[in-house]
Amino acid sequence: GIQVEQSPPDLILQEGANSTLRCNFSDSVNNLQWFHQNPWGQLINLFYIPSGTKQNGRLSATTVATERYSLLYISSSQTTDSGVYFCAVERWGSGNTGKLIFGQGTTLQVKP
Amino acid sequence: GAGVSQSPSNKVTEKGKDVELRCDPISGHTALYWYRQSLGQGLEFLIYFQGNSAPDKSGLPSDRFSAERTGGSVSTLTIQRTQQEDSAVYLCASSLVGSNTEAFFGQGTRLTVV
Repeated sequence: GIQVEQSPPDLILQEGANSTLRCNFSDSVNNLQWFHQNPWGQLINLFYIPSGTKQNGRLSATTVATERYSLLYISSSQTTDSGVYFCAVERWGSGNTGKLIFGQGTTLQVKP
Repeated sequence: GAGVSQSPSNKVTEKGKDVELRCDPISGHTALYWYRQSLGQGLEFLIYFQGNSAPDKSGLPSDRFSAERTGGSVSTLTIQRTQQEDSAVYLCASSLVGSNTEAFFGQGTRLTVV
């Protein structure tokens, strides 16, 4: 089945710094989402981005579907950005159904 | 409803007992998913519903696990004869039509088997 790899696995930043998180996937996908899991375990939707670029405040994401990767940019990081960032992909056909396949996540800690 | 709702939020059960976890998806969402997240781990797919049918139940770890969905809405995940390794957070998600649409997650049920 499709493999999803996220890097780096862990990241520590000083408040105000910028960062880039990467998600590589092993096959073409129909859907890609970025989530932030907060310290209470809730998964917050960040982006639905099967291709192209989107921005939402200090966050932006780019998916290059033909090269099988997506990037999540966090600018001017804040302590509230801490948590785990997950990339998840969906691929239909070839025996796959509409389930999201998750990477192992990037754990971000932003220090004040 | 406004979001995906799961109950209970927390459940502590004795080894060997059966438990039922409930998921109430966003109104109108036809696709529903169950995932499991063990401590410090990623999300493990369990089962996917489209309407009341489950075209993909490949992630259910054993025959002690079952799920159903009635009326194309509420879903129940049942774990029989619970074991300590079943301790995890069980997350439910829903999406509008299941393919190429955004999925939204509930807050999860934290299950502890003692």
